[in-house]
Amino acid sequence: AQSVTQLDSQVPVFEEAPVELRCNYSSSVSVYLFWYVQYPNQGLQLLLKYLSGSTLVKGINGFEAEFNKSQTSFHLRKPSVHISDTAEYFCAVKVAAGNKLTFGGGTRVLVKP
Amino acid sequence: KAGVTQTPRYLIKTRGQQVTLSCSPISGHRSVSWYQQTPGQGLQFLFEYFSETQRNKGNFPGRFSGRQFSNSRSEMNVSTLELGDSALYLCASSGGQTNTGELFFGEGSRLTVL
Repeated sequence: AQSVTQLDSQVPVFEEAPVELRCNYSSSVSVYLFWYVQYPNQGLQLLLKYLSGSTLVKGINGFEAEFNKSQTSFHLRKPSVHISDTAEYFCAVKVAAGNKLTFGGGTRVLVKP
Repeated sequence: KAGVTQTPRYLIKTRGQQVTLSCSPISGHRSVSWYQQTPGQGLQFLFEYFSETQRNKGNFPGRFSGRQFSNSRSEMNVSTLELGDSALYLCASSGGQTNTGELFFGEGSRLTVL
């Protein structure tokens, strides 16, 4: 079975400052890794994914994440946040075969002016 | 290309009733998964259907059921509703000719049980 831990439940950050959201996972088999964002009263939107290849993954809206196999981590970063980045962010994993996502508990990002 | 469509978006039921939620996947996608999102438990996997067959199931009681039709549309049903079933139910589709391994989510059906 897989598990995902998002170490911060809330992250306040000032506009134009950098932000890092931490994600650690546990799995006995190889997994695919994802970051999703959820805006209020909406579904989940994919920010980026790691399937294989380069460990630095670039996504939409200026976000990027780095896969670290030895530390079983997949931290999300953005060098300069905007007010519009205020949302909840979810890290998720799934095995290659199948479509069952295991999610972390989420990190609420509040961008302050 | 239309996204994942879920209906209804909002609904209110009372304890003991049953509810049916509908999900239309992205055209060409054959896999449909359902998730429950609550403040206390977060996002939890309910089940996945592929080509009209349940391929995977989460740890939910038998009151939660689903099905998939030949056109890949899916429904989930919750019988004998309890207060704790109040949640946002999200549907996700994946697959198709260019399977990128990601799941595409709908905007959800928000169920309130009174």
